[in-house]
Amino acid sequence: GAGVSQSPSNKVTEKGKDVELRCDPISGHTALYWYRQSLGQGLEFLIYFQGNSAPDKSGLPSDRFSAERTGGSVSTLTIQRTQQEDSAVYLCASSPARPGGEQYFGPGTRLTVT
Amino acid sequence: AQSVSQHNHHVILSEAASLELGCNYSYGGTVNLFWYVQYPGQHLQLLLKYFSGDPLVKGIKGFEAEFIKSKFSFNLRKPSVQWSDTAEYFCAVTTSSGNTGKLIFGQGTTLQVKP
Repeated sequence: GAGVSQSPSNKVTEKGKDVELRCDPISGHTALYWYRQSLGQGLEFLIYFQGNSAPDKSGLPSDRFSAERTGGSVSTLTIQRTQQEDSAVYLCASSPARPGGEQYFGPGTRLTVT
Repeated sequence: AQSVSQHNHHVILSEAASLELGCNYSYGGTVNLFWYVQYPGQHLQLLLKYFSGDPLVKGIKGFEAEFIKSKFSFNLRKPSVQWSDTAEYFCAVTTSSGNTGKLIFGQGTTLQVKP
């Protein structure tokens, strides 16, 4: 079956611009997670959705970062006024209902801020 | 704060050598444990997982891991590596704290297998 998909696969943007990253989870998976993978910081949790609600936003690094999920499916991560330190690979994962279970990862979006 | 520590950052082995990658976590409560692998140019894939029961778990491609609760460890092993095992390996945990299921990752270990 179809896995988690993310778009775009690569994004190059100028410092100060806003970007939107999209995640399509596996159909029927109610839990959705965003992570960031960068050199020196490893893999970091950003935000967790259960359905359309985000009970854990504790990993968002600043108020320039926001995310939403609609219809219990697609999620969008938005970064406003991008900075060079935002350059990273942004990963999305989805999971069936039970928290703590296996997560299935997408291929990621590589963001480069110039 | 909960954390995961992987002791080996870069490991180089010859084919047929045995592999053991260390992983320790810091959390006193219930954990679920995972090893993920990222092959060059590919996305993260699950190698194996431990939720409960037999502390020796077997995963794909001949990998296994042992959960030792008293040592807060979940080391990954493979008796004989192949060139195709060249990849980055991540240990991760979820904890019962907050009940969100977010993964806490170790820093990763890059494994290079020489043919």
